[in-house]
Amino acid sequence: EVQLLESGGGLVQPGGSLRLSCAASGFTFGRYAMGWVRQTPGKGLQWVSSINNIGDNTYYADSVKGRFTISRDNSMNTVFLQVDSLRVEDTAVYYCAKDLHDYGDYRVGDVWGQGTTVTVSS
Amino acid sequence: SYVLTQPPSVSVAPGETARIACGGNNIGSKSVHWYQQKAGQAPAVVIYYDRDRPSGIPQRFSGSNSGNSATLTISRVEAGDEADYYCQVWDRSSDHVVFGGGTKVTVL
Repeated sequence: EVQLLESGGGLVQPGGSLRLSCAASGFTFGRYAMGWVRQTPGKGLQWVSSINNIGDNTYYADSVKGRFTISRDNSMNTVFLQVDSLRVEDTAVYYCAKDLHDYGDYRVGDVWGQGTTVTVSS
Repeated sequence: SYVLTQPPSVSVAPGETARIACGGNNIGSKSVHWYQQKAGQAPAVVIYYDRDRPSGIPQRFSGSNSGNSATLTISRVEAGDEADYYCQVWDRSSDHVVFGGGTKVTVL
C-alpha cells in the first residue's frame, strides 16, 4: 500500500524554525516528484513547494521563497521541508503529496499524507 | 500570477447533478485536476488531466475543460459526495502549482 507519513510539526514562536519530514512507503520513491501543500484552518489549499524525483529541481510559492527549503533523501524514502523565519500566517496543516506520474516535475498529487500541524504563535 | 476562481458553495438534492466551475484565463490550454476533501480528511484526486478518473472513483464523476472554464460534474449525487472540491493547474509561466479557492458541495 502506498503511504505517506508526515511528522515534525509543532508549536513555534514567530521567527522560529521546524523541519518537516514525509516518509514514503509502498512505491519506488526515487522515481516520483513530491510536493508540499498547506491548509490554513477553515481555508483552502495552498501549494508550498515541490521537488523533482532526483532533487535537482525545486520550486517555491512566492510567500515562502527564501524562508523554506525542500529537499529529499531517496535512500531514506523521505522528503523534507525546512521552514525558517516562521510567521503567524504560516500556521497550517502541511501535507505532502506524491506526483501521479514517475519522473519529471510535480504536477498533480495522487497520494497524500494525513498532514502535520504547524502553529506559529507567541 | 495565475488565478483560479470557484464558487464558494453549491447545493444539490440527492440524485440530481452538481456542476462545479473553475474559471481561469485560457484554462482550456492547461491541464486541470480536481480534488475532493471530506471533513477531517486529506484531499484526494477525483479527476486528473481534465477528464481522467483514478481507479476507484465512480463514473458519476466527470470533468471537462474549454476556453476560460473547467467543470467538475457529479451525476446522481449521493450524501457521501458532500465535501469541499478544489481545482488545480500547473502554471507554466511561473512554474507554480495553483489551486482554486474551493467549493463546498452540500447535499440537501
